[in-house]
Amino acid sequence: GIQVEQSPPDLILQEGANSTLRCNFSDSVNNLQWFHQNPWGQLINLFYIPSGTKQNGRLSATTVATERYSLLYISSSQTTDSGVYFCAVGESSASKIIFGSGTRLSIRP
Amino acid sequence: SAVISQKPSRDICQRGTSLTIQCQVDSQVTMMFWYRQQPGQSLTLIATANQGSEATYESGFVIDKFPISRPNLTFSTLTVSNMSPEDSSIYLCSVAESSGNTIYFGEGSWLTVV
Repeated sequence: GIQVEQSPPDLILQEGANSTLRCNFSDSVNNLQWFHQNPWGQLINLFYIPSGTKQNGRLSATTVATERYSLLYISSSQTTDSGVYFCAVGESSASKIIFGSGTRLSIRP
Repeated sequence: SAVISQKPSRDICQRGTSLTIQCQVDSQVTMMFWYRQQPGQSLTLIATANQGSEATYESGFVIDKFPISRPNLTFSTLTVSNMSPEDSSIYLCSVAESSGNTIYFGEGSWLTVV
């Protein structure tokens, strides 16, 4: 099956800093999503991005499907950005998507 | 996106008992899923809840341990049977939006088995 690796596993930054989170996957995918899990466990869908680039406020994501990686950029970090960021991939629709191990981001005031 | 409500949000359960988690969606959805997240771990798909038929379970999960019901397009339940401390996890209900590509999660049910 598809393998998903995220890096770095942990990231500690000061408020206002920028960060780049990476997701590598082992095979071709037609579905790739980024999620943020806040400290209370709630999972929020950030992007559906099987290819190309999308931006939403301070967050943006780029997926280079031919090279099998995706990047999530967070600019001007805020303490509310803290939590775990997951990349999830699948071969087709939302069924059978596989989650990476996540990047734990801590933003210090 | 759909609004997904789960109950209970949190519970402490005795070893050997069973607990049923409910998931209610504010609109009809075709695809509905149940995930488990063990402490400090990523999410693992338990099963796809199929409306009007038996759920489709992933490798490592069986119906006797995790029976699932899906009586209609807005509601599903997951039962965790004969619980042990290893079942302490967050259990999450999720749905796919109409295109079938993007998934959304409920707030999760935090179970602790003692």
